[in-house]
Amino acid sequence: DQQVKQNSPSLSVQEGRISILNCDYTNSMFDYFLWYKKYPAEGPTFLISISSIKDKNEDGRFTVFLNKSAKHLSLHIVPSQPGDSAVYFCAASATGNTPLVFGKGTRLSVIA
Amino acid sequence: DTGVSQDPRHKITKRGQNVTFRCDPISEHNRLYWYRQTLGQGPEFLTYFQNEAQLEKSRLLSDRFSAERPKGSFSTLEIQRTEQGDSAMYLCASSSRTSGRATGANVLTFGAGSRLTVL
Repeated sequence: DQQVKQNSPSLSVQEGRISILNCDYTNSMFDYFLWYKKYPAEGPTFLISISSIKDKNEDGRFTVFLNKSAKHLSLHIVPSQPGDSAVYFCAASATGNTPLVFGKGTRLSVIA
Repeated sequence: DTGVSQDPRHKITKRGQNVTFRCDPISEHNRLYWYRQTLGQGPEFLTYFQNEAQLEKSRLLSDRFSAERPKGSFSTLEIQRTEQGDSAMYLCASSSRTSGRATGANVLTFGAGSRLTVL
C-alpha cells in the first residue's frame, strides 16, 4: 500500500515558466510533508517542508501548498531554471521523529 | 560539518556473499536511518537508530539484514547471503531534534549512497 503517491513520473517545462509537482497521500496521521531533490549519483537533498497546520510555505523560488482535506500537496517552482532538472520526491511523516515515507518521484526536465 | 559519508560507494558481489556498508552521520545528529532505493522507486525505509538503540525495523529488513550502531556514532548495514533482489542503492541519513528548522519536520540529511550489484 503506497501511502505517498506521485502519479506523474515525469514533467517537462520551459525555462522561466512555472513547474508544478503534485503529491497525494492516504495516511491521515501524517503531520509533516517534505520535498527532496535528487541529482544522479547523489543522495536526496532537502528542499522545503510544511506542517499540517499550514497551507502554504515559501522559500525563494519554491512554494509548497497543502490541501489537507484533499490529502494533496504541490510544489511550485517559479521561475524554473535548467539547474532545477532533477528527480523530486515528496515525503511525509507523522508527528515526532518517525521515519519519512517517500513517493516514487517525478523527474523534472527544464528546457532552455 | 562534512555531511553524511557512506562507504563503499559501489560494491559488486556474487550471489551468496556477505557485504557490509558503513555510514558516518553528521556528528551532532543522534538519529540515523537506513533506506533502500531501487530503479523507479523512492527511498524505502529499512531501519533507524536513536543513539545506539535500534528503534524501528521495516518488514523489508529480512533476517539476512542486520544493522548496528555500537557507540551511537557510525553505523553498519550487513547483508548476508546476498541475492540478486538485493541489488539497490542503500542510503543512509541522519537527523537531530533540531533538524526540523522552521516547520518542525524531521529533516533527514542523506549521504550519496552505496550502490550494490549482486551478480
